Amino acid sequence: ETGVTQSPTHLIKTRGQQVTLRCSSQSGHNTVSWYQQALGQGPQFIFQYYREEENGRGNFPPRFSGLQFPNYSSELNVNALELDDSALYLCASSRTDNEQFFGPGTRLTVL
Amino acid sequence: EDQVTQSPEALRLQEGESSSLNCSYTVSGLRGLFWYRQDPGKGPEFLFTLYSAGEEKEKERLKATLTKKESFLHITAPKPEDSATYLCAVQAGAGANNLFFGTGTRLTVIP
Repeated sequence: ETGVTQSPTHLIKTRGQQVTLRCSSQSGHNTVSWYQQALGQGPQFIFQYYREEENGRGNFPPRFSGLQFPNYSSELNVNALELDDSALYLCASSRTDNEQFFGPGTRLTVL
Repeated sequence: EDQVTQSPEALRLQEGESSSLNCSYTVSGLRGLFWYRQDPGKGPEFLFTLYSAGEEKEKERLKATLTKKESFLHITAPKPEDSATYLCAVQAGAGANNLFFGTGTRLTVIP
């Protein structure tokens, strides 16, 4: 059974640019959630996708957007990057209301 | 507003010295409380889910317990490889199945 994978591992962007992060969910999981984790903090919920539809959103501006594909993989897009967007971005997959299993994360640095 | 507070922020133990980590929560309609372990620069690793007061779960040297206001993660005879940040998260209310995390306890076990 393949776990949750994320790409890329690391990314460096400059302020104002756009970025796309990718996540492949664990086999059999139909729900993907995205979290942002700043250094020394716990992960913060960005949004969740279930069967290709957004199923809840945290307190993040609209420049954070996402997609889920028919194979349940997902993308997180961030437009107009700001310095404060520098963080570890985590993807978690689950079977609807069950435990969420996290990927290794993508470390985004905005200069 | 949902709140999750973990204490202590950091804990140093000698190898073999048992201790407990605390997670206190204030939420409306707890649906589940989750414990994760996170190594530096990596995604959280799922440990336990607890659903109702009085529930206990064990895995190797770890035991998680739940009351109506808090959860404890007991570590018995820890080893250096138990060094990590331990995160507590809650799932609460109706709607999206997102996790609301505390800021974690950074555990260091000294040989």
